[in-house]
Amino acid sequence: EVQLVQSGAEVKKPGESLKISCKGSGYSFTSYWIGWVRQMPGKGLEWMGIIYPGDSDTRYSPSFQGQVTISADKSISTAYLQWSSLKASDTAMYYCARQGQWLDFDYWGQGTLVTVSS
Amino acid sequence: IQLTQSPSSLSASVGDRVTITCRASQGISSYLAWYQQKPGKAPKLLIYAASTLQSGVPSRFSGSGSGTDFTLTISSLQPEDFATYYCQQLNSYLSFGPGTKVDIK
Repeated sequence: EVQLVQSGAEVKKPGESLKISCKGSGYSFTSYWIGWVRQMPGKGLEWMGIIYPGDSDTRYSPSFQGQVTISADKSISTAYLQWSSLKASDTAMYYCARQGQWLDFDYWGQGTLVTVSS
Repeated sequence: IQLTQSPSSLSASVGDRVTITCRASQGISSYLAWYQQKPGKAPKLLIYAASTLQSGVPSRFSGSGSGTDFTLTISSLQPEDFATYYCQQLNSYLSFGPGTKVDIK
C-alpha cells in the first residue's frame, strides 16, 4: 500500500528555520516525483515544487523559488521542505504528494500544519 | 498557465446533476486532473488525463474536455460529495484552479 507520512505540526517564531518531512513507503521511492502543495487557512491549493528522489532533480514554482528548499534522502525514502527564515505568512497546511505517471498527484500525505507567530 | 473555475460555489440537493467547469489560459491538451477535498482532509484524486477515472472513484464522477475547456460532472450528487473541487493543469508548473465549493441546498 502506497503511503506518504508527514511529520507533525510545528509552531515557530518569525525568523526561525524549519524542515518538515514526508516519508514514502509501499512503492519505489526513487522512481516517482514528489511534490509539495501549500494551503493557507481557508484558501485553495498552491503548487510549490517537485523533486525526483532518484537524482534530486528539483523544479520550483516561480512563486516559491528562493523562498523554500526542497530536498530528498533516498536512503530513507524521505522528502523535505525547508525554510531558512520563516514569516507569519508561511502559516499554512503543507501537503506532500506523489506524482503519478500522468503527472497528477495520485497519493497524498496527511498534511503538516505550520504556524508562525510571535 | 492560469486556471479559472466556474462557478466558485454552488448549492445542490442530493440526486442533482452537478457540472463544474475549468478553463485554462492556453491549451493544455488533456493534461488536467480533478481533485476533491473535504474539510480537514488532504485532497483526493478523482480524474486524471482529463477524463480517466482514478481507481476506486465512483462512476458518477466523469471528466471531459481538451485544449482549454474542461468539465467535471457528478451525475447524481450523494451526501458524501459535498466538498470543494479543484482542477490542476499538468502541462507547465502544475498550477491549481481556485476551487469550487459544493454545499447542500
